[in-house]
Amino acid sequence: DTGVSQDPRHKITKRGQNVTFRCDPISEHNRLYWYRQTLGQGPEFLTYFQNEAQLEKSRLLSDRFSAERPKGSFSTLEIQRTEQGDSAMYLCASIPTGLNTGELFFGEGSRLTVL
Amino acid sequence: AQSVTQLDSQVPVFEEAPVELRCNYSSSVSVYLFWYVQYPNQGLQLLLKYLSGSTLVKGINGFEAEFNKSQTSFHLRKPSVHISDTAEYFCAVIYRLTGGGNKLTFGTGTQLKVEL
Repeated sequence: DTGVSQDPRHKITKRGQNVTFRCDPISEHNRLYWYRQTLGQGPEFLTYFQNEAQLEKSRLLSDRFSAERPKGSFSTLEIQRTEQGDSAMYLCASIPTGLNTGELFFGEGSRLTVL
Repeated sequence: AQSVTQLDSQVPVFEEAPVELRCNYSSSVSVYLFWYVQYPNQGLQLLLKYLSGSTLVKGINGFEAEFNKSQTSFHLRKPSVHISDTAEYFCAVIYRLTGGGNKLTFGTGTQLKVEL
């Protein structure tokens, strides 16, 4: 499968613990996005990378959240000191630079449950 | 700022009946509009998109949408639904990021439930 891959698919953690999600985009895609989706809502933009540079961050991304893409390939999203309100589906998407039509290619998401 | 509104949170419909899922957008500039579908426990998949040109856009799985600039709408339609169309449908508008990328802004989604 050469689509966007996310790991883990499901994570259950206790409040206060740290969690990390990984996203492997499609290999020739140098733009990568993280979105968060809560129940009954559409996906909300969190952050955007072009290669290894993080070019945009939403105000939704509090200081407990950090995203990296150190080599311009895979990306990680870490949440420190998790809170129950962090429970959501975290979606990763990618797009090649030359494609400027707005179509994003999404992974299947990582579902976080904070108890 | 660009945004989309999906007024219907749930739409129940019988199999083989037609369906319309409504989407209205607000934008002060030219827009690119999209419909994505999300099947249970899966990621989002592009159904169709409007960038320019013909206002009637055809997508996958027999869906189509019509861009109406005067009514700022981009409603999704299918003349005859199948049970496999049961899913969450999201309307989205593109927003240009300062870093040069594009950000999709999504509506709250419409749950289409097809019943026998």
